[in-house]
Amino acid sequence: AQSVSQHNHHVILSEAASLELGCNYSYGGTVNLFWYVQYPGQHLQLLLKYFSGDPLVKGIKGFEAEFIKSKFSFNLRKPSVQWSDTAEYFCAVEDFGNEKLTFGTGTRLTIIP
Amino acid sequence: NAGVTQTPKFRILKIGQSMTLQCAQDMNHNYMYWYRQDPGMGLKLIYYSVGAGITDKGEVPNGYNVSRSTTEDFPLRLELAAPSQTSVYFCASTNGGYSGNTIYFGEGSWLTVV
Repeated sequence: AQSVSQHNHHVILSEAASLELGCNYSYGGTVNLFWYVQYPGQHLQLLLKYFSGDPLVKGIKGFEAEFIKSKFSFNLRKPSVQWSDTAEYFCAVEDFGNEKLTFGTGTRLTIIP
Repeated sequence: NAGVTQTPKFRILKIGQSMTLQCAQDMNHNYMYWYRQDPGMGLKLIYYSVGAGITDKGEVPNGYNVSRSTTEDFPLRLELAAPSQTSVYFCASTNGGYSGNTIYFGEGSWLTVV
């Protein structure tokens, strides 16, 4: 079965710092990859997704992620974070034809003004 | 658009009580899902449905039941509530079909079993 690892459980950064959150998955077949964000007290929202084409995908609010198939990774990046980026970030993987998402355990991001 | 609507938002149950979490979507999506979110554990799939009349178990189905009599509604039932079912529950839906469709989530239902 597919599994998703997010090794950073809690990340604390100052505003304007650069961000990279790791995401690795286990099953090496064809996958769709997602990053979701959950702001405090809110539901999950799609940040960005990859399912084909350019492995560098850009999402909302200046986030981007790079799919590296050889490393089974889909790391999330942002060059300069803002206080409003404080949230929990979930990586998710959908196996080909599965129609179900496997989520990572999430990374809590705290931005210090 | 309302999107995915869940009710209630908050509920406290006593051990052994039963209740139904309601979920409705107005996007004519075929696929619907129930997840639970526990601290440090991410989201775990409880049940899902690929269309009206069709449901299937996810990773953690024990203690729950679902039904899908219409495309719009996908209620989740807890028959005998246990403290282990204290969690945040999210309903979600998508168009389905392999194209990386976005899954839309409801705002969550916070359930405490005491």
